[in-house]
Amino acid sequence: DTGVSQDPRHKITKRGQNVTFRCDPISEHNRLYWYRQTLGQGPEFLTYFQNEAQLEKSRLLSDRFSAERPKGSFSTLEIQRTEQGDSAMYLCASRRQGTEQYFGPGTRLTVT
Amino acid sequence: DAKTTQPPSMDCAEGRAANLPCNHSTISGNEYVYWYRQIHSQGPQYIIHGLKNNETNEMASLIITEDRKSSTLILPHATLRDTAVYYCIVRDSTNTGTASKLTFGTGTRLQVTL
Repeated sequence: DTGVSQDPRHKITKRGQNVTFRCDPISEHNRLYWYRQTLGQGPEFLTYFQNEAQLEKSRLLSDRFSAERPKGSFSTLEIQRTEQGDSAMYLCASRRQGTEQYFGPGTRLTVT
Repeated sequence: DAKTTQPPSMDCAEGRAANLPCNHSTISGNEYVYWYRQIHSQGPQYIIHGLKNNETNEMASLIITEDRKSSTLILPHATLRDTAVYYCIVRDSTNTGTASKLTFGTGTRLQVTL
């Protein structure tokens, strides 16, 4: 257990539905990352927060994806109008300056 | 960030040293070599990193060649719990203005057997 928690751990949804995932980072970590991992591939960067500011977004983050970190603590990642191609593991990581990234256990999304 | 090349899979007998190679021939002077691993159904876990000197911690040793074009991660006494995918990542750590995001490849799947 790294201290980064994610909820839920598994989510099954039907195509077209909206889903929201939550990440709780290690409490003193002001930097938070979201990654997506599909089967057989390494994680791919989606977005980065420093405190509550979203400072970088990947081109993978389409208009249907939105991430927030309203008070600089927990973060949410929402996917609207899910598609089968959104099926993946969504990973959250956090760090503070001078440390490495600590990853949570991930949320596995299955879109049917 | 420079690209890395790793073998897709390796086997190692329990108790023996596991030596995982990584090529990063386009690495630049301010880029570090990082190693993470991912045990099945878990998030990636940081192992070790280095710039040009060899590094050792409680988990592993990292040997970087003098020209820095390749490196080897060594798990000195592999156990079944070391079975995982190991990722070698090259990252520029000097620019604190960027996200310092990690760019993962497909890694090496290490299978430790009895």
